[in-house]
Amino acid sequence: RKEVEQDPGPFNVPEGATVAFNCTYSNSASQSFFWYRQDCRKEPKLLMSVYSSGNEDGRFTAQLNRASQYISLLIRDSKLSDSATYLCVVNMFNNNDMRFGAGTRLTVKP
Amino acid sequence: DTGVSQDPRHKITKRGQNVTFRCDPISEHNRLYWYRQTLGQGPEFLTYFQNEAQLEKSRLLSDRFSAERPKGSFSTLEIQRTEQGDSAMYLCASSRPGLGGNTEAFFGQGTRLTVV
Repeated sequence: RKEVEQDPGPFNVPEGATVAFNCTYSNSASQSFFWYRQDCRKEPKLLMSVYSSGNEDGRFTAQLNRASQYISLLIRDSKLSDSATYLCVVNMFNNNDMRFGAGTRLTVKP
Repeated sequence: DTGVSQDPRHKITKRGQNVTFRCDPISEHNRLYWYRQTLGQGPEFLTYFQNEAQLEKSRLLSDRFSAERPKGSFSTLEIQRTEQGDSAMYLCASSRPGLGGNTEAFFGQGTRLTVV
């Protein structure tokens, strides 16, 4: 089983749609969780951290479910500029290395 | 520019040659990571340094790969006797410690390696 698994998509949605991505992780000792965004041929950049209580940043909401070992990202009112690959990242506190999922590709269409 | 910088941006080499890449992290970041990314995949963890100590090395990293961070600042990744399967984007990232784990990791723009 991969350490971090994501549905690769692609997700093709119209502007204004709500879309959700899930990510599962295998190591229950994982401590920190993030969503990164990667545009085509660019480096990954942090979208948001994921906190135990869940957190929201504008149109983006991240949730963590430790019991089921998954995190989610919800994008509301999607924009054309949201088209990118969204990477789930999991970090173990004692190792501090960061493991990435394969990414979920999102295309928002007019 | 105070971000993570990688050099070179592109490298084309013949199979069997050795290549070396350099990464300069953000100056106050003590953690440095190397990843490899191929088309359609997420970054695969290769190795991780905290200051000058190499704390973890992926099983993906064969004996042909070696990484160093001699003074806890810049890092180099060397691939010996390159193979066509080594063709990929090699990404470097740095971060600083935070409470309960990592803070944001900042990535360089990567070195794209093509082995012909």
